Amino acid sequence: DTGVSQDPRHKITKRGQNVTFRCDPISEHNRLYWYRQTLGQGPEFLTYFQNEAQLEKSRLLSDRFSAERPKGSFSTLEIQRTEQGDSAMYLCASSLNRGLPYNEQFFGPGTRLTVL
Amino acid sequence: SQQGEEDPQALSIQEGENATMNCSYKTSINNLQWYRQNSGRGLVHLILIRSNEREKHSGRLRVTLDTSKKSSSLLITASRAADTASYFCATVMDSNYQLIWGAGTKLIIKP
Repeated sequence: DTGVSQDPRHKITKRGQNVTFRCDPISEHNRLYWYRQTLGQGPEFLTYFQNEAQLEKSRLLSDRFSAERPKGSFSTLEIQRTEQGDSAMYLCASSLNRGLPYNEQFFGPGTRLTVL
Repeated sequence: SQQGEEDPQALSIQEGENATMNCSYKTSINNLQWYRQNSGRGLVHLILIRSNEREKHSGRLRVTLDTSKKSSSLLITASRAADTASYFCATVMDSNYQLIWGAGTKLIIKP
């Protein structure tokens, strides 16, 4: 399967703990995106990378959240000192952009985070 | 806040009927995309329509775009049980390449 993969698929943690999620994009894709989705809502943009550079971060991304894409391939999203409000599905997507805004994104299955 | 608003929030129809979902947005766009999400396959891209296009077809899907009304519609013809899913519109503005999403329409196809 050459699609976007995410690990883990489910994570249950206690409030105050740190969690880290991983995303492996489609190999030739230069853009990688993180979204958060809560029940009954559409995805909310968190951040994106062009190769290894993090180009934009949403105001939703508090200082407890950090994302990296060290070699321009896989990416990690870390949440420190988790809160119950962080419970959501975290989605990763990738796209191949050659300077055009025709931005079809390919999504992974998501990581469902539950903070107790 | 989210850019798009889908209407209706939920739709239940009989298999074989056509399903129409609408999306309205607030700012001028470069393109608008429709995605489907179900528990089995996650979010899947369906179709993209550019701001200078008015209508586009892909199989049983027909999308229209009216930039003067800032609205789009997605028509699924001859619906099947497998079409049961949530459908989202997402817009891309000229000023950046982010996808801005609506809250989705939950479609249920009854056998």
